Amino acid sequence: AQSVTQLGSHVSVSEGALVLLRCNYSSSVPPYLFWYVQYPNQGLQLLLKYTTGATLVKGINGFEAEFKKSETSFHLTKPSAHMSDAAEYFCAVSNTGYSSASKIIFGSGTRLSIRP
Amino acid sequence: DGGITQSPKYLFRKEGQNVTLSCEQNLNHDAMYWYRQDPGQGLRLIYYSQIVNDFQKGDIAEGYSVSREKKESFPLTVTSAQKNPTAFYLCASSQTGGDTEAFFGQGTRLTVV
Repeated sequence: AQSVTQLGSHVSVSEGALVLLRCNYSSSVPPYLFWYVQYPNQGLQLLLKYTTGATLVKGINGFEAEFKKSETSFHLTKPSAHMSDAAEYFCAVSNTGYSSASKIIFGSGTRLSIRP
Repeated sequence: DGGITQSPKYLFRKEGQNVTLSCEQNLNHDAMYWYRQDPGQGLRLIYYSQIVNDFQKGDIAEGYSVSREKKESFPLTVTSAQKNPTAFYLCASSQTGGDTEAFFGQGTRLTVV
């Protein structure tokens, strides 16, 4: 079975500081990995995804993530935090989808706060 | 514009009543999903469907039911058997294949009164 673990339910950084949100996954098959962002009382929006190929993936709003198979990790980073980055972030994993049972599993989320 | 529409945005239910949450998409996606979101627990999968007239239980299907009679629609019924239904419910859709992302609606907040 696939699963995702997000380390730290709440992360607080200063404006302009590095953002690092941690995600580790478990999968018996090559995973597809995603990061989503959620603003209060809204749905989720895709930040970036890893399927195959380059392990460093760039997304919207200056975020990027690196797939490390040896560490089973897919951490999300941004070099310089903005106030507008304050939101909830979710890591997710999907299977290869070759069967009819393809589904997306989400982590428990990390709330990112930005200090002025 | 293409997207996913959930309605209503807010819903109040009396104990013992069934309520149905609507989810419609015009993205021509085959797969649709229902998630429940509670504070600190992330998104938990209730039901998902890969094709019309077929759906599978997720991790927390007890007390919920769905139908998929049309490709565009995937309504969720919260039955009286669901003991703690107060939550934020999110509907999503995607192409099949696992490597494509899910697109989400804006959610329905259900409160039991």
